Amino acid sequence: EEQLLESGGGLVQTGGSLRLSCVVSEFTFRSYAISWVRQAPGKGLEWVSSIIGGGDATFYADSAKGRFTMSRDSFENIVYLQMNSLRGDDTALYYCAKGGERWYRGHLDYWGQGARVTVSS
Amino acid sequence: QSALTQPASVSGSPGQSITISCTGTNIDVGGHSFVCWYQQHPGKAPKLMIYDVNNRPSGVSSRFSASKSGDTASLTISGLQPEDEADYYCSSYSSNDYLLFGGGTKLTVL
Repeated sequence: EEQLLESGGGLVQTGGSLRLSCVVSEFTFRSYAISWVRQAPGKGLEWVSSIIGGGDATFYADSAKGRFTMSRDSFENIVYLQMNSLRGDDTALYYCAKGGERWYRGHLDYWGQGARVTVSS
Repeated sequence: QSALTQPASVSGSPGQSITISCTGTNIDVGGHSFVCWYQQHPGKAPKLMIYDVNNRPSGVSSRFSASKSGDTASLTISGLQPEDEADYYCSSYSSNDYLLFGGGTKLTVL
């Protein structure tokens, strides 16, 4: 069974930066899209960004464009979410999830346990 | 980029069937066959229940079924069981390269 392990969450001040990491298996890293989905306290799921399998093309929600950058480290099988200019409404549990071979299918069939991000003024 | 529309809550008694709707537009739900449904229990990560409109991943009960008509997708749970009580989210690809989620529906098993 695939396992995804997020890290890097924490408390940051408004305007600050954080980098989340998601470690995945090599096979998943090469073949499947990875997405970040967040959930604010007591709220619903919100897609943040996706990266295609085996490539570097990335896609972002409007709320993330220009502030967040998703990338991958091919040597360590790690997917990153660099978050800059953080604001209060970015406070959420950030999930890393494995998608399908085509990112636009969604098909998020394995999820990590989540990394909590709290943005405080 | 707008969220898909779901009812905030639905309820049913054990053994009954319920249906949750998910309404979008012709560039998301109505324009593609990439609709998924997720179940989330409190404090847990979401679980994929349906993909590509009406396909169940291995291990998901056949009591869960789904369909789509026009801009609206639907999830039906038959033979309700207490463990089905959870939040349910739909998602869809949107033609402008977004993944959209619905606002979520809280299912209460009475």
